[in-house]
Amino acid sequence: GAVVSQHPSWVICKSGTSVKIECRSLDFQATTMFWYRQFPKQSLMLMATSNEGSKATYEQGVEKDKFLINHASLTLSTLTVTSAHPEDSSFYICSGRGETEAFFGQGTRLTVV
Amino acid sequence: GENVEQHPSTLSVQEGDSAVIKCTYSDSASNYFPWYKQELGKRPQLIIDIRSNVGEKKDQRIAVTLNKTAKHFSLHITETQPEDSAVYFCAASNTGNQFYFGTGTSLTVIP
Repeated sequence: GAVVSQHPSWVICKSGTSVKIECRSLDFQATTMFWYRQFPKQSLMLMATSNEGSKATYEQGVEKDKFLINHASLTLSTLTVTSAHPEDSSFYICSGRGETEAFFGQGTRLTVV
Repeated sequence: GENVEQHPSTLSVQEGDSAVIKCTYSDSASNYFPWYKQELGKRPQLIIDIRSNVGEKKDQRIAVTLNKTAKHFSLHITETQPEDSAVYFCAASNTGNQFYFGTGTSLTVIP
């Protein structure tokens, strides 16, 4: 099946700094990528839909100025958590959609100290 | 938008017994319903899916049923094994759009 590569898989950063997470579709072109956030023992919550060449669409309650999404090419989408705070610590997962099935990245565990 | 509800949130079964997880959805336009298995700290993995033109689908010990009229679908795992222990998520999608996930079911299979 198709592969979505996400990195880093784990990052620790200081409060106030920014962190960039990359998501690449390795063997298919993803015109749309989805970014999810997952707290421990909870479901995946859609944060935003990333569209190649256009602005991302954010879900209600997600700060677009804090979670910057860029989808510059058909194979790369990035999520930048700006001025990170401890409450931003979470598991972030990207997903690229093929014809029907969704393919998930490995996830990034972000810890803000 | 779509709203997916999933029950139960936790489920414990004895090895060899069956496990059933149920989901409901709200958007009648949804036409694709995948189920994902997620182990701790790992990415969700697709285990089975069903489209709206099919009522039931089976793959070895796993089966999924869909009732479009009632807007609910279920995952059935028979002859459960300890390695089936994980969190299972249902999802609903309209082709080309994003997936909306259920809240998850933590399944524990007791040896």
